[in-house]
Amino acid sequence: DAKTTQPPSMDCAEGRAANLPCNHSTISGNEYVYWYRQIHSQGPQYIIHGLKNNETNEMASLIITEDRKSSTLILPHATLRDTAVYYCIVRGISSGSARQLTFGSGTQLTVLP
Amino acid sequence: DADVTQTPRNRITKTGKRIMLECSQTKGHDRMYWYRQDPGLGLRLIYYSFDVKDINKGEISDGYSVSRQAQAKFSLSLESAIPNQTALYFCATSPTDRVLKNEQFFGPGTRLTVL
Repeated sequence: DAKTTQPPSMDCAEGRAANLPCNHSTISGNEYVYWYRQIHSQGPQYIIHGLKNNETNEMASLIITEDRKSSTLILPHATLRDTAVYYCIVRGISSGSARQLTFGSGTQLTVLP
Repeated sequence: DADVTQTPRNRITKTGKRIMLECSQTKGHDRMYWYRQDPGLGLRLIYYSFDVKDINKGEISDGYSVSRQAQAKFSLSLESAIPNQTALYFCATSPTDRVLKNEQFFGPGTRLTVL
């Protein structure tokens, strides 16, 4: 699985869009980008995933660059409850049968009132 | 996620004691996982099970064992606890038909302290 790089921390004003970047320059063609978040001491929560097209769901949007070497998770209207550590994970569908998720250090997003 | 429960939520024990952490799920998922989380290290996979008869070691299985008693239950044991096993432990499940999505549902965690 490709390695990912995320900034260790970011701040965002409540009500504004939070844009969380992730670099995955070694991503290969069959690897997907997944985003999870973890609110303090709770279990991680799936947010969204994508391959090469931009994706949107009720929680967030995922923008993947054309060369697929980086992506951005967008929380359109951040609230205080969005304060969490956000993990960007790159995972291939054929990377073994375990389907385990490799979580790095992530980005601590703090939404400020 | 209330559909995945872990017991106990907190446990303090002494070095050398045998400890069992339990995980139950009502989601009907075949796949279950145990992770541990240490500050600054993210989550690391200990063991995983794809069905009742399938148990596999993860990244850091030494010092741990597991038992899949039923589809809904997956227990993690520390045969002889040591202080560096102090961590936050998470159980997770995933349905086979969402393999591509890699969506895992996590329990609330068990905070284990080994003195």
